[in-house]
Amino acid sequence: AQSVTQLDSQVPVFEEAPVELRCNYSSSVSVYLFWYVQYPNQGLQLLLKYLSGSTLVKGINGFEAEFNKSQTSFHLRKPSVHISDTAEYFCAVSGPLSGGYNKLIFGAGTRLAVHP
Amino acid sequence: EAQVTQNPRYLITVTGKKLTVTCSQNMNHEYMSWYRQDPGLGLRQIYYSMNVEVTDKGDVPEGYKVSRKEKRNFPLILESPSPNQTSLYFCASSPPFRNNEQFFGPGTRLTVL
Repeated sequence: AQSVTQLDSQVPVFEEAPVELRCNYSSSVSVYLFWYVQYPNQGLQLLLKYLSGSTLVKGINGFEAEFNKSQTSFHLRKPSVHISDTAEYFCAVSGPLSGGYNKLIFGAGTRLAVHP
Repeated sequence: EAQVTQNPRYLITVTGKKLTVTCSQNMNHEYMSWYRQDPGLGLRQIYYSMNVEVTDKGDVPEGYKVSRKEKRNFPLILESPSPNQTSLYFCASSPPFRNNEQFFGPGTRLTVL
């Protein structure tokens, strides 16, 4: 079965500093990878996704992620964060070992807290 | 506006009292799914539906039922709720061939006393 590990449960950072949220997945076969963001009291919103092709994926709100097959990682980065980026971020994977490409397996989430 | 709606948004109930959480989408999506979100565990799939009258268990189906009589609606039913079903519930839908870009509802916070 596939699994997703988000290595940090909380990441505090100052405004305008860079940030990296780490995600590792376990799979020996091709997978699709996703980052979702959950703002307080809201549902999840897709930030970006990797399906194939270029390993550097750009998403909304200035976020990007890099797919690294050898390290089975999909870390999320932003060069300069804003207060409004304070939210919980979820990494997710889908593929043949997760029950099909329609099914998402989520990590436990990383809470990003941006301080002034 | 394209959206997934859930009702109610908040619900406090007592053990054993049957309840239904409704989910509706206006995007004509075939695939719909229910997740529960618990601290430290992320989101876990409860049930999913590939299309009308086609439903199947996810990873944590115990204590839940679903139905899919119409394409737009996918209600979650708790026949006899228990305190361990206290959680934040999300409904999601996705179109075919969009490679799992799932659209999520705003969530339903359920407390079972």
